[in-house]
Order: sequence, then C-alpha cells, then structure tokens
Amino acid sequence: AQSVTQLDSQVPVFEEAPVELRCNYSSSVSVYLFWYVQYPNQGLQLLLKYLSGSTLVKGINGFEAEFNKSQTSFHLRKPSVHISDTAEYFCAVSGEDDMRFGAGTRLTVKP
Amino acid sequence: ETGVTQSPTHLIKTRGQQVTLRCSSQSGHNTVSWYQQALGQGPQFIFQYYREEENGRGNFPPRFSGLQFPNYSSELNVNALELDDSALYLCASSPPGTGIFNEQFFGPGTRLTVL
Repeated sequence: AQSVTQLDSQVPVFEEAPVELRCNYSSSVSVYLFWYVQYPNQGLQLLLKYLSGSTLVKGINGFEAEFNKSQTSFHLRKPSVHISDTAEYFCAVSGEDDMRFGAGTRLTVKP
Repeated sequence: ETGVTQSPTHLIKTRGQQVTLRCSSQSGHNTVSWYQQALGQGPQFIFQYYREEENGRGNFPPRFSGLQFPNYSSELNVNALELDDSALYLCASSPPGTGIFNEQFFGPGTRLTVL
C-alpha cells in the first residue's frame, strides 16, 4: 500500500515570497500524485496532478510541482504567494484501488 | 453546470444512532467516492461506487455502507455511531473514462458531530 508524508504541518510566509510545501510518498508500485487545496469550510480543489510524462507539472493559481522518483518526492512550489493562498494543502497518492492523503500543510500568508 | 452537492451541511447525532448522508454528483459523472476527514487530518478513503456497485473500499468497518442510484447520486450510511465518527464527510464525483481517482470533484462536505 502507498503512503504520504507531508513534512511541514504549518508554513508561515510573507506575501510575495516564494514557498515550497514538501511531500514524500512511498509505494511499491507506480502511483499517481496530486496536490489539493482546501479553504475554510469548503471541500477540496485539485491544484495539479502527475500521471505520467514531464516531471514538472503546472497547476492552477501559479502553483507547480516536481515529481522526483529517486527521492520519492512531489514538492509543491509557488514563486510569489498572495494573501488569498492562505489555506490547507494536501498531497495525495493513488494506486489501483485506493487514495491516500497526507495530514496537510497549513499555509499562512502574512502581509 | 451544477457541481457536487451534499446534504445536510451539518448534523448532530448521539452515540449508537444511525445516519444517512447524501451526495449529488456533478452532471455527467458516473463514479462517486466518499471520504472521512477528522479534524486536523487529511481525508481517508471510505469507498467508491461505480454503476451502482461498490468499486473499492478503504479500511472502514461494515457499519459504513453506501448506495449509488441510477442517476449516480449516492448515500453514505453509518450504523451504530461512535464518538470517533465525528468528522467532515466528503463526497467526490468523477467523469467516465478518467481513471478511478484521476479526476475528482469534491463537494463541500457534511459535518457530522456524534455526542
């Protein structure tokens, strides 16, 4: 079975600064990788996903992530964050019949 | 186009009771997945329904059961509620031909509190 570890539970950052949210996964088979965002009192919204092909994946709202198979990582990055990016971010991995989420990283963007 | 909707928004039950949560999938979507998200944690996969049959299940006991209807809407039923069942329950629908989890659209969730 696969598993996901989000290495930071909270990441505070100033507005317009760059940010990286870290995610490591483990799996014995090929997997698909995802990043979701959750705003307060809302469901999850897909930011981006890696299924195959280019290891650099671009998503919505200026986010991107890089799949690194040798390091089993899928870190999320944004070069310049906005106040509106304040939210909970979840990394997830799916196999044939299951989907596992990390515990989440709370991104707080300060003015 | 209407997105995924869930009802009710909030629900309070007492231990031992039974509860039914409802989900209407996005138009054209034929697969529905359910997740449990405890406070401060990531969602956990409960099960998935495709063509009115269970198509996969996470590590949840049999008192968690579901249904999918011909219009692809779905219900999650939980019997003999326990305090640890208190959580946000999320429903996600997927369009046909996209792979089991590759294209999920989530509803806003139902917040269940068990006293």
